[in-house]
Amino acid sequence: GQQVMQIPQYQHVQEGEDFTTYCNSSTTLSNIQWYKQRPGGHPVFLIQLVKSGEVKKQKRLTFQFGEAKKNSSLHITATQTTDVGTYFCAENNDMRFGAGTRLTVKP
Amino acid sequence: DAGVIQSPRHEVTEMGQEVTLRCKPISGHDYLFWYRQTMMRGLELLIYFNNNVPIDDSGMPEDRFSAKMPNASFSTLKIQPSEPRDSAVYFCASSFLRPGNSPLHFGNGTRLTVT
Repeated sequence: GQQVMQIPQYQHVQEGEDFTTYCNSSTTLSNIQWYKQRPGGHPVFLIQLVKSGEVKKQKRLTFQFGEAKKNSSLHITATQTTDVGTYFCAENNDMRFGAGTRLTVKP
Repeated sequence: DAGVIQSPRHEVTEMGQEVTLRCKPISGHDYLFWYRQTMMRGLELLIYFNNNVPIDDSGMPEDRFSAKMPNASFSTLKIQPSEPRDSAVYFCASSFLRPGNSPLHFGNGTRLTVT
């Protein structure tokens, strides 16, 4: 099945700094989902993007779907320690996940 | 809503033993997924079912792994014989609609250690 590539693998930021993770596919996606996994926890659904160029916001989180529907990004403004975890994108065809970006936040 | 329920939470076994992981999906969800998570390989899709029928098992590592879904409320993932490299966290997830059209709801996972 198709697979999404996610970068960066790790990101360490100071509290208050912004954070962005990117998800790229070689093929056009119908839609894409984002999940967050806290350390020791399980993945939890955050959002689904469907439309070309779509932008959705959840408080400090901004999700974008590329115009060609081959890439997506998650941006966190002014990170907090509660944002710590691994962020995954998942492609819609058979729900295979990207490798994830592990975010650590220094208080 | 009790969510997806997995058992056991932790399993420690010796190499060569049979291991059975269990999952109860959310009632009404027609899709059930088994994932394996390790540091090296990330979150891997092993198999998924639709209405109790296996749809895609291309992620199942080898013949030592088998999964069944005898009814809509129960699924098992069996490893026989187990090997140390099978040590991982195994997640079960369910969804209402087909992949990508509705969120996956994950269970708390089973942490398997094979010594």
